[in-house]
Amino acid sequence: QSALTQPASVSGSPGQSITISCTGSSSDVGGYKYVSWYQQHPGKAPKLMIFDVSDRPSGVSNRFSGSKSGNTASLTISGLQAEDEADYYCSSYTSGRTLAFGGGTKLTVL
Amino acid sequence: QVQLVESGGGVVQPGRSLRLSCAASGFTFSFYGLHWVRQAPGKGLEWVAVIWYDGSNSYYADSVKGRFTISRDNSKNTLFLQMNSLRAEDTAVYYCARDEIELAGATIPDYWGQGTLVTVSS
Repeated sequence: QSALTQPASVSGSPGQSITISCTGSSSDVGGYKYVSWYQQHPGKAPKLMIFDVSDRPSGVSNRFSGSKSGNTASLTISGLQAEDEADYYCSSYTSGRTLAFGGGTKLTVL
Repeated sequence: QVQLVESGGGVVQPGRSLRLSCAASGFTFSFYGLHWVRQAPGKGLEWVAVIWYDGSNSYYADSVKGRFTISRDNSKNTLFLQMNSLRAEDTAVYYCARDEIELAGATIPDYWGQGTLVTVSS
C-alpha cells in the first residue's frame, strides 16, 4: 500500500493560480474515477473539496477545480485568497479496495 | 446535517487495547460505508480501515491488519474500531468518515468527524 506523491509545499500570491499534483499508478489514480482532494486547516478535520476527480461538493467555491491525466491528478486553485492557506491531501480508491492518501501539500499564500 | 462524533481516545500503554466509537446522525446510517483515518502528530493522513454499508466487507491498511477490527451497529448508528496490541506508532488523531457512495462498496470519504486522540505511551 503505497502513498500517492504530492509536492511538500507550494506558494502563490493573492489572486494568482496554483496547481498541486498527485501521482499514483494504474492501480489507483490512473485506474479509477474515485480521486478526491481535502483541505485541512491546523487543528481542524479535513474538508472535502473535490470528489470523483473533478466534481465539487455543494458549498465549495468554483475557484477549486480538479482534473486527471493518466496516473496523475491535479488540484487547481484560482484567484488565491488568504483563507486558502492550508494543507491539501489527495486520495484515491485502489485496486485492493483500500484508500491511499498523498503525503500532503502545504499551501502558503504570500 | 451529517454529524460524526468520535469518542474513546486516551492514553494507553504499549501492548494494551482500546475501542473507539463514532456516533452518526443526520443521514441514513445503514446506507453508507464508513472509514477510519488517522493522523499522527505533525504528519499526514493515513487511511486505516473501511466497512461496507451492510457490514458484509471490511478492508485494512497493512500497518494495522491483524491488530485492528472495524465493526458497526446499524441499529445504534455507531461505528467502532477495536485496537489491540497497540504500539507507539499508533499514536494519532483518529477520524471516522462517511463514504460518498450509497448502498454500494466503499470508495472515498466525504464527511468527517472532529477526531479523537489516541496516545500510546508507557
